[in-house]
Amino acid sequence: GAVVSQHPSRVICKSGTSVKIECRSLDFQATTMFWYRQFPKQSLMLMATSNEGSKATYEQGVEKDKFLINHASLTLSTLTVTSAHPEDSSFYICSASQLDRRYEKLFFGSGTQLSVL
Amino acid sequence: GDSVTQMEGPVTLSEEAFLTINCTYTATGYPSLFWYVQYPGEGLQLLLKATKADDKGSNKGFEATYRKETTSFHLEKGSVQVSDSAVYFCALSDLQGAQKLVFGQGTRLTINP
Repeated sequence: GAVVSQHPSRVICKSGTSVKIECRSLDFQATTMFWYRQFPKQSLMLMATSNEGSKATYEQGVEKDKFLINHASLTLSTLTVTSAHPEDSSFYICSASQLDRRYEKLFFGSGTQLSVL
Repeated sequence: GDSVTQMEGPVTLSEEAFLTINCTYTATGYPSLFWYVQYPGEGLQLLLKATKADDKGSNKGFEATYRKETTSFHLEKGSVQVSDSAVYFCALSDLQGAQKLVFGQGTRLTINP
């Protein structure tokens, strides 16, 4: 089946640094990618939706200048957490969708655990 | 706004036990409902779905029925296996074709032999 690769799986960084998370669709073209985050014991929350070649659409309450999303190709989207702080420590998950918008064609990465010291 | 609430985990069962993971939702419209499963080291995978009231989704021995009157979508399996150990997420989508999902917090299930 289709695979979405997300890297890194775990990252620890110092406060004030920036961290980039990559999400790649390995065997299909992802016209749309979604980014979620999950704080401990809370729900996975949608952060933003990105379509290839256009600006991402952010959910209410998500700072677009802090969480930079780039979807420059049909197989790669990146999320950069700029000037990370301890409150940004969370589990981040991407998902990728093909042109066929059925839910059976929505595939998820395995997630990135970010810890900011 | 829309929300999904799952029973808190972790849940630990013995092999061949009966499983229920409760899920309730609030939504303004008529959402589609989903169960996703995440095995260790892998991405979330769609386990089953139901798109309208009284629909039953089923896959791999798991079932869930869309109950509009109780706003619930409980996941059940009659006899669990060790290989069912995973994290299970209940989710809803209120926008047809948008693929924007609202998730519960996930329930970690461990099955002991």
